Amino acid sequence: DVKVTQSSRYLVKRTGEKVFLECVQDMDHENMFWYRQDPGLGLRLIYFSYDVKMKEKGDIPEGYSVSREKKERFSLILESASTNQTSMYLCASSTGLAGVIIYEQYFGPGTRLTVT
Amino acid sequence: LAKTTQPISMDSYEGQEVNITCSHNNIATNDYITWYQQFPSQGPRFIIQGYKTKVTNEVASLFIPADRKSSTLSLPRVSLSDTAVYYCLVGDKVPGNTPLVFGKGTRLSVIA
Repeated sequence: DVKVTQSSRYLVKRTGEKVFLECVQDMDHENMFWYRQDPGLGLRLIYFSYDVKMKEKGDIPEGYSVSREKKERFSLILESASTNQTSMYLCASSTGLAGVIIYEQYFGPGTRLTVT
Repeated sequence: LAKTTQPISMDSYEGQEVNITCSHNNIATNDYITWYQQFPSQGPRFIIQGYKTKVTNEVASLFIPADRKSSTLSLPRVSLSDTAVYYCLVGDKVPGNTPLVFGKGTRLSVIA
């Protein structure tokens, strides 16, 4: 079975802190994604990556950055956490080369981040 | 960017067939239609994907008319465990100029 793991299920941080959310997949997938999910807004794409050291902005990249130094690991970074970044963060991965049709995405369990 | 429109919520009784329709009027030639299911406190799970006509798997069927401007996810004989949020996505390439848009989904409530 494909497994996508996220470093924490619950996280509480203070305003202004630098926050790292880690995601690891074990299926050698090329593509990895970070979403946030808020009540009434559905899932919104923050960033995605189709290869090591490659990244693309999604719909809401402001206030976030990402890092992909190894194929299996995709990190989401909040440079200076703010209360409006309190949310559920979901990581996903999928197979598929750049330019190929969307394949099935596998999601992690999510990290519920609270910024106080 | 192909945007999708779905009903916000639906209710159904156990044992009934449920059809959830998604509108995607500006779908592009290369776009595929994909549906996901999400239970509370879990990440979404892939259900089915199609390009045209009908696709069926062990979980659901997907009906896509010839103009591809809409699609219908059909869940046969739903049970309480099918209570979830269902998302319709339209897109082709990753990466590309079509970021993946999940939207708000349809909240299905199955009643005993």
